[in-house]
Amino acid sequence: EAQVTQNPRYLITVTGKKLTVTCSQNMNHEYMSWYRQDPGLGLRQIYYSMNVEVTDKGDVPEGYKVSRKEKRNFPLILESPSPNQTSLYFCASSLSGGPALYNEQFFGPGTRLTVL
Amino acid sequence: RKEVEQDPGPFNVPEGATVAFNCTYSNSASQSFFWYRQDCRKEPKLLMSVYSSGNEDGRFTAQLNRASQYISLLIRDSKLSDSATYLCVVNPRDNYGQNFVFGPGTRLSVLP
Repeated sequence: EAQVTQNPRYLITVTGKKLTVTCSQNMNHEYMSWYRQDPGLGLRQIYYSMNVEVTDKGDVPEGYKVSRKEKRNFPLILESPSPNQTSLYFCASSLSGGPALYNEQFFGPGTRLTVL
Repeated sequence: RKEVEQDPGPFNVPEGATVAFNCTYSNSASQSFFWYRQDCRKEPKLLMSVYSSGNEDGRFTAQLNRASQYISLLIRDSKLSDSATYLCVVNPRDNYGQNFVFGPGTRLSVLP
């Protein structure tokens, strides 16, 4: 089954404790992206990757890191989480970085993160 | 002004009603536009892309007005299963460098 998977689905952690949220897709997609969703603000893009070893900042990259060593995986790293990073996180992928109109984004099920 | 704005609703409509959502965007250079649907606590899923000439998919019709910088979504003959949040999505820079901007969403409740 074609899908985007994220782990963990739920995480409660404390300020300053490094964590990684994994994202994996099995559709051989070139483009991957991370978003956070907060009430009243909608989804905001954190980082995106056009292909292996090619990443770029989205609208809210502060406090996050990403890597794209393999095509299928795009982990999100919080080196020192803070309470303002409490949010619902979505990973997404699409076929390529070509004309966006023809590139449906497929989203993972989401990771609900709470930083105390 | 936010890059993409939507009426948050909620829109409460009876089954069978026609409902329309509008979305405005601030970047006049925006090239690509989409409507996504998001059910409560679930991931967003593409409903339809919005083409310059407007497009229809069954009960759903999307329109783009570049001059006024808004897109619209019309849902005819609403079903209970249409209850969801509808997200307007704009890609300010087409081709390479996909930096999608999502609106805050409009919540729709279709009532029996």
